[in-house]
Amino acid sequence: QVQLVESGGGVVQPGRSLRLSCAASGFTFSSYAMHWVRQAPGKGLEWVAVISYDGSNKYYADSVKGRFTISRDNSKNTLYLQMNSLRAEDTAVYYCAREGITIFGDGLPPGLFDYWGQGTLVTVSS
Amino acid sequence: EIVMTQSPATLSVSPGERATLSCRASQSVSSNLAWYQQKPGQAPRLLIYGASTRATGIPARFSGSGSGTEFTLTISSLQSEDFAVYYCQQYNNWPPSYTFGQGTKLEIK
Repeated sequence: QVQLVESGGGVVQPGRSLRLSCAASGFTFSSYAMHWVRQAPGKGLEWVAVISYDGSNKYYADSVKGRFTISRDNSKNTLYLQMNSLRAEDTAVYYCAREGITIFGDGLPPGLFDYWGQGTLVTVSS
Repeated sequence: EIVMTQSPATLSVSPGERATLSCRASQSVSSNLAWYQQKPGQAPRLLIYGASTRATGIPARFSGSGSGTEFTLTISSLQSEDFAVYYCQQYNNWPPSYTFGQGTKLEIK
């Protein structure tokens, strides 16, 4: 079965960096685009970034552009989010999510999230 | 950026009754609109996409409608497991820039 397991969250001071990981299993990781979506405590969902199946294309929300970097290692079935210059407003649960369409066009329309991890909490505080 | 606005923020409905949730887009997203359900402490789950197509395994009591800027999620006969927060999401942009509504909390009356 599809599993996405995030790790790397924790408490970090403003201005510092943190790297999140998402270990994928139960599907052919290299065939899917992957996303990060975050949720501030008690708030709604905010899309953060997407990376194409081979890592050649990346897109970001304006709120994190220039500070966050999404990457992947298909040999390790792992997705990453490097977060630099962290701010208090980056405090959130960070979810990795699979986009529900393969590189062959099978599955859902583009832009939908069919599987999510359970999330990892990042707290930015001094 | 396309802004998604959901109403109401909270909806109180009795089990067995019908619930109607609304979502409005700041500009047309065609039918590129999805609904997700999120229960406390859990990740969201995809319910509806293409404004009206149920995702795999979603019961028939969930239905979606609308196009352009106005969308509705209807739950025909509420079950106890349906009380949760519901989010709409547009996926109409290129380059990708997906946005969610702020959510509607469906609570037991």
